[in-house]
Amino acid sequence: KQEVTQIPAALSVPEGENLVLNCSFTDSAIYNLQWFRQDPGKGLTSLLLIQSSQREQTSGRLNASLDKSSGRSTLYIAASQPGDSATYLCAVRGGADGLTFGKGTHLIIQP
Amino acid sequence: EAQVTQNPRYLITVTGKKLTVTCSQNMNHEYMSWYRQDPGLGLRQIYYSMNVEVTDKGDVPEGYKVSRKEKRNFPLILESPSPNQTSLYFCASGGNTEAFFGQGTRLTVV
Repeated sequence: KQEVTQIPAALSVPEGENLVLNCSFTDSAIYNLQWFRQDPGKGLTSLLLIQSSQREQTSGRLNASLDKSSGRSTLYIAASQPGDSATYLCAVRGGADGLTFGKGTHLIIQP
Repeated sequence: EAQVTQNPRYLITVTGKKLTVTCSQNMNHEYMSWYRQDPGLGLRQIYYSMNVEVTDKGDVPEGYKVSRKEKRNFPLILESPSPNQTSLYFCASGGNTEAFFGQGTRLTVV
């Protein structure tokens, strides 16, 4: 059974710093990996989708990488801003049975 | 605009009173699913559907039912809700592509 782990569970950094969020998964047989953002009490907003054949995806200040063989993904956030404060969730799709989520990294960017 | 719409957004109900949470998507996706989110446990899949009239259990299906009579709709049914089903529920749409989530339904069962 797929397990997804996100490290760290919480992170607080000053505005302007570059930071890296980590995601690891136990079964490398995945279709894709998706990073989401969740604001308190809100829904999930998709940030980046990486297909299993891809190594990375970029959107603005966000860059996600995927190393399928080692079961790892990282989300890099450049020049962090207070508006980036949220919980970041990593999810992998291993087959027809849907997404397996990590428990998230709660990120606080201090002004 | 690609959308997954859930209703209601908030619901307080009593134990044993049947309820339905609706979910609709406008992206013509074949794949839809339901998740619940609980503190400390994260998001866990309840049921999924690969196409019309095709549904299957996820990780935590007990106490829930679903139906998929049309491609765009995938309602979640609680026949006899219990307090341990108090949770934040999300509907999602999208299969081997990007998954889109609804805004969530916060359910409280008293």
